[in-house]
Amino acid sequence: QVQLVQSGAEVKKPGSSVKVSCKASGGTFSSYAISWVRQAPGQGLEWMGGIIPIFGTANYAQKFQGRVTITADESTSTAYMELSSLRSEDTAVYYCARDEMTTVTTGSENYYYYYMDVWGKGTTVTVSS
Amino acid sequence: DIQMTQSPSSLSASVGDRVTITCRASQSISSYLNWYQQKPGKAPKLLIYAASSLQSGVPSRFSGSGSGTDFTLTISSLQPEDFATYYCQQSYRTRGFGPGTKVDIK
Repeated sequence: QVQLVQSGAEVKKPGSSVKVSCKASGGTFSSYAISWVRQAPGQGLEWMGGIIPIFGTANYAQKFQGRVTITADESTSTAYMELSSLRSEDTAVYYCARDEMTTVTTGSENYYYYYMDVWGKGTTVTVSS
Repeated sequence: DIQMTQSPSSLSASVGDRVTITCRASQSISSYLNWYQQKPGKAPKLLIYAASSLQSGVPSRFSGSGSGTDFTLTISSLQPEDFATYYCQQSYRTRGFGPGTKVDIK
């Protein structure tokens, strides 16, 4: 049973950076992807980016390109999301989620379906002067 | 980027009602569509993946359908614990969520 445990709440000044961690227990950490999703107060869900630890490369939503860095440490089964140049609009709850994959074979074709089936409880980041 | 829209943005329903939520993608995403339920102060919960596959442990009153650009989440008989916000999410190209549909009590 995979569980994702996130680091605690943060209060940051505008212009600074924040680094949130997401530690996985159970399962094989390097074999699945981790996505980061944020939710501003009263707003919807926003995908920021993700990483597959075994490959080490991350991909990011265009909106956050250049400002977010997602990394993973296989030795500690921990993923990280660092957001820089913080502004008040970055005040939100930040979630990590396991991006699980199911393969469906139809004829000779394989189709890979990804879905976020395990979520951390969220980390509140408040940006305020 | 693939844009996701949902309708309605909110709805009021009674226990026992059949509820249908629609999600539309700005381009074809085949069946790369997931549905989540979120309650206030909680992380989202996966309900449906690959457009129509029920996640383990999710009640069978939830069902999903559709492919291409148009998708539907149906709750066959609304229960008190189903009052929540529902999001669709595409996994065809990177990831992206719809704006959500809030289901509240009539």
